[in-house]
Amino acid sequence: DVKVTQSSRYLVKRTGEKVFLECVQDMDHENMFWYRQDPGLGLRLIYFSYDVKMKEKGDIPEGYSVSREKKERFSLILESASTNQTSMYLCASSLWDRNTEAFFGQGTRLTVV
Amino acid sequence: AQSVAQPEDQVNVAEGNPLTVKCTYSVSGNPYLFWYVQYPNRGLQFLLKYITGDNLVKGSYGFEAEFNKSQTSFHLKKPSALVSDSALYFCAVRDLNSGGYQKVTFGTGTKLQVIP
Repeated sequence: DVKVTQSSRYLVKRTGEKVFLECVQDMDHENMFWYRQDPGLGLRLIYFSYDVKMKEKGDIPEGYSVSREKKERFSLILESASTNQTSMYLCASSLWDRNTEAFFGQGTRLTVV
Repeated sequence: AQSVAQPEDQVNVAEGNPLTVKCTYSVSGNPYLFWYVQYPNRGLQFLLKYITGDNLVKGSYGFEAEFNKSQTSFHLKKPSALVSDSALYFCAVRDLNSGGYQKVTFGTGTKLQVIP
């Protein structure tokens, strides 16, 4: 059974803290994604990676960075957390072929206080 | 630029009745279209996709979707709704001509409520 695992289901952090969200996939997928989900806005792409050490900005990269040192692991970093980054964060992975679907992790609900 | 519209924030249907969740899209080239479902406090799960071929696509849990190129629509359907189908449904599109960047655009989601 394919799996995308996010390190935390729920996180509470203080404003200004550096926050790391970790994601691991066991399917040997080339592509990995970080999305943010907010009510009424759907899923918005933060960053995308198609290979180790490669990254592309998505629609809302401001305030975020990413790291992909190994193929199976994709980390999202909030350099200095702010209250407007309170959200549900979803990691996903997919094969390089553009007609394949994505597999999602269970999500991390981050609250910044 | 590609876009997806899900015009209904919520759809209510009685158990046993047919259901439809609407999706329209806009792309410059040919689309790849996807439906995903999200149960409460969970990630998204893939339901079905249209790549090419038959306009009626069958997927998981008895769902199907009809691709209509002239209306640029990809509505999700099920002949008989179950209470367990209650969830948030997302339509997504990828432009065949989007080049190397594998961007998928998601709709804002439609909450399906099946009433016993």
